[in-house]
Amino acid sequence: AQKITQTQPGMFVQEKEAVTLDCTYDTSDPSYGLFWYKQPSSGEMIFLIYQGSYDQQNATEGRYSLNFQKARKSANLVISASQLGDSAMYFCAMSGYGNKLVFGAGTILRVKS
Amino acid sequence: SAVISQKPSRDICQRGTSLTIQCQVDSQVTMMFWYRQQPGQSLTLIATANQGSEATYESGFVIDKFPISRPNLTFSTLTVSNMSPEDSSIYLCSVSAGNSYNEQFFGPGTRLTVL
Repeated sequence: AQKITQTQPGMFVQEKEAVTLDCTYDTSDPSYGLFWYKQPSSGEMIFLIYQGSYDQQNATEGRYSLNFQKARKSANLVISASQLGDSAMYFCAMSGYGNKLVFGAGTILRVKS
Repeated sequence: SAVISQKPSRDICQRGTSLTIQCQVDSQVTMMFWYRQQPGQSLTLIATANQGSEATYESGFVIDKFPISRPNLTFSTLTVSNMSPEDSSIYLCSVSAGNSYNEQFFGPGTRLTVL
């Protein structure tokens, strides 16, 4: 069975600084995908970034980058130059058989001005 | 990316009643998913809905409680039956992008409160 672990219930970061949100995963499948989603207080789920298990390079999307360490089974999200609008819940998720997504417990990020 | 709408956006219901949530996609998609997010919790997959076949339910979810319809490739409904306060959650539908990423796009969600 697939499992996602996010050990940080909440994080604070100063505006304009970088922050890393941790995610570790467990799976026996050789092929899988790792995702990060942002959920503001409005409740919508916003796709941020994706990393495939066979991708050689770490994924980047604007201010978001994914620090993928396959041997350690970690897929940490790095947000650079934090903005007040980054305050939200962040979920790490994994896809596998049947295109299903398994989500972690989430990390609440608060950006301080 | 797909544009997904859900109706209603929120509702307050009495226990023992049922609510049907609609999910509309602006393009044809093969796979649609329904998730539940209980207050302060993560998302849990309820079922996978493919057009032309019965929905596949995850452990802990049954068709009698959460019947799903998938009449065509752009539309699905989820019914929450015989509701209790424990059903108070955000219900989200999502669709698979159909690319190698298996990326999923989510609707805005339906906030349900059961009194």
